[in-house]
Amino acid sequence: GEDVEQSLFLSVREGDSSVINCTYTDSSSTYLYWYKQEPGAGLQLLTYIFSNMDMKQDQRLTVLLNKKDKHLSLRIADTQTGDSAIYFCAESTPNAGKSTFGDGTTLTVKP
Amino acid sequence: GAGVSQSPSNKVTEKGKDVELRCDPISGHTALYWYRQSLGQGLEFLIYFQGNSAPDKSGLPSDRFSAERTGGSVSTLTIQRTQQEDSAVYLCASSLAGARNEQFFGPGTRLTVL
Repeated sequence: GEDVEQSLFLSVREGDSSVINCTYTDSSSTYLYWYKQEPGAGLQLLTYIFSNMDMKQDQRLTVLLNKKDKHLSLRIADTQTGDSAIYFCAESTPNAGKSTFGDGTTLTVKP
Repeated sequence: GAGVSQSPSNKVTEKGKDVELRCDPISGHTALYWYRQSLGQGLEFLIYFQGNSAPDKSGLPSDRFSAERTGGSVSTLTIQRTQQEDSAVYLCASSLAGARNEQFFGPGTRLTVL
């Protein structure tokens, strides 16, 4: 079945860039997503990218997609302490009707 | 309401008791999902409802777990004869039908089984 993998932890200093990586196995994935979960809350969609795109930029967020390698990354520029959270990568395919989530990457931003 | 709501926010129960967790999705969302998130773990898919189709129950961990969605709206996740390993945060999400499966999550119910 589909599988989505992420590294579990990332620690950066405030002001640095953060790069969170994700790999997936389903080559028919059409949408790929990044969700953010703050402590004690549910997940919130940060951004998504359609599979025919290579890059999407939204303010401090840049999503890069390498479809050949099935690799997705999220870059957060000028990382702030408020960016500390768990970031989940997810993918969906048209026929599945649901998304497959990775296990999440815990981002810690140190002042 | 504006978002997905879940109740109760916290539930403490004794081992062996049954519990019911409720999810109110966003109005008009035809798809509804239940996930489980154990401490320090990722999301574990439990069940998925889409419109009037038969639900995808492939993630339910045992026959003690069941879920219903009445009238295409509110859903209830029931756990019978709870065990300590059922302790987790149970998250509900809803989405519109379609390929762009953006899910809107509720705040979750934290279940503690003593």
